[in-house]
Amino acid sequence: EVQLVESGGGLVQPGGSLRLSCAASGFTFSSYWMSWVRRAPGKGLEWVANIKQDGGEKHYVDSVKGRFTISRDNAKNSLYLQMNSLRAEDTAVYYCASLSFYVFDFWGQGTLVTVSS
Amino acid sequence: SYELTQPPSVSVSPGQTASITCSGDKLGDKYVCWYQQKPGQSPVLVIYQDTKRPSGIPERFSGSNSGNTATLTISGTQAMDEADYSCQAWDSGTWVFGGGTKLTVL
Repeated sequence: EVQLVESGGGLVQPGGSLRLSCAASGFTFSSYWMSWVRRAPGKGLEWVANIKQDGGEKHYVDSVKGRFTISRDNAKNSLYLQMNSLRAEDTAVYYCASLSFYVFDFWGQGTLVTVSS
Repeated sequence: SYELTQPPSVSVSPGQTASITCSGDKLGDKYVCWYQQKPGQSPVLVIYQDTKRPSGIPERFSGSNSGNTATLTISGTQAMDEADYSCQAWDSGTWVFGGGTKLTVL
């Protein structure tokens, strides 16, 4: 059974940093593109970032470029999102998801990030 | 940037057919997928590549995509289908979601 378990969310002040983690199991993690997707309160889903199987290719939504960094450790079956210079508009539930042929096929349960003073 | 537009809400009576639309420029030229999300739960893929159902998704879920509009259809809607539904497509290196439609079964 595919499992994706996010952690690392919490309350952070504007301008602060946070690192999210996603532990994967039940599938060959190193064979999949992986993604972060978020949903802000009262808003729709928003793709945040993707990373290729070997970590050699990464893509970001414009609003987080230069502030967020996606990475992975295939030896640990883990995905990460380093978030710096956080803004109030980054407040959201962040989901880790596997990506297959442009489709987010499996999702974690999410971790809440709140940016507030 | 590419945009996908969905109605904020759709209502349907139990046993009837629900249709949720997703509009975008020349959307029929792209593959569309649909996600179901219930309160407090993570999204679940219910339709991919316009019309295909992942394993475990009931046959009452179907999809279509033509012109500027993709449609998710739920036949014989059940109370358990009440949820938020979001469409998604890929365009020019970005993964785009619609704003989501809350389906109410009443």
